Amino acid sequence: AQSVTQPDIHITVSEGASLELRCNYSYGATPYLFWYVQSPGQGLQLLLKYFSGDTLVQGIKGFEAEFKRSQSSFNLRKPSVHWSDAAEYFCAVGAPSGGYNKLIFGAGTRLAVHP
Amino acid sequence: GAVVSQHPSWVICKSGTSVKIECRSLDFQATTMFWYRQFPKQSLMLMATSNEGSKATYEQGVEKDKFLINHASLTLSTLTVTSAHPEDSSFYICSARDSKVGSSTAPLHFGNGTRLTVT
Repeated sequence: AQSVTQPDIHITVSEGASLELRCNYSYGATPYLFWYVQSPGQGLQLLLKYFSGDTLVQGIKGFEAEFKRSQSSFNLRKPSVHWSDAAEYFCAVGAPSGGYNKLIFGAGTRLAVHP
Repeated sequence: GAVVSQHPSWVICKSGTSVKIECRSLDFQATTMFWYRQFPKQSLMLMATSNEGSKATYEQGVEKDKFLINHASLTLSTLTVTSAHPEDSSFYICSARDSKVGSSTAPLHFGNGTRLTVT
């Protein structure tokens, strides 16, 4: 069965510092991979996605993620965090079959940014 | 860009009553919409897949008689929580994909969610 693990429940960084949020997945083949961000009481906004091709994916708001098949990982990175990045971040996996209709989400990582 | 609107954004109801949540695709048509549930400080769990003109497909463990889904048009799906109880209090989020975008990799668009509190 597919699963997604986000090992870090809560991360705090200083504004301007670099950020890496970890995501590991379990799936028999190469899945579709996503990172979403959720502000309090809001829905989800897609940051970036990986389907195939270049394993380094660029997203919105200066985020990027790298797919590493050997490690079954899809970590999210940002070189310099802004206070507005404080939010909940979810990694998700979708099975290519059926057009990834079912997304399996990780438990999320809550990011706090100190001024 | 594509927008999915949910209404209401929050609702408080008494135990035993029913609550209807609407999910609308504002500028695209969606033959399929998805309903998720999110408990506090937890991740999103897919509840059901709403199919326009046909019955919804429910995930294992989700009570179809309690969570009634209707997808009567290409732009509207509704989730009705029947005989709500405090344990149904949660954040419900819908998502949809533009049916006219034929690629299986077309993006999913999420609504802003509905916070349900049952007292």
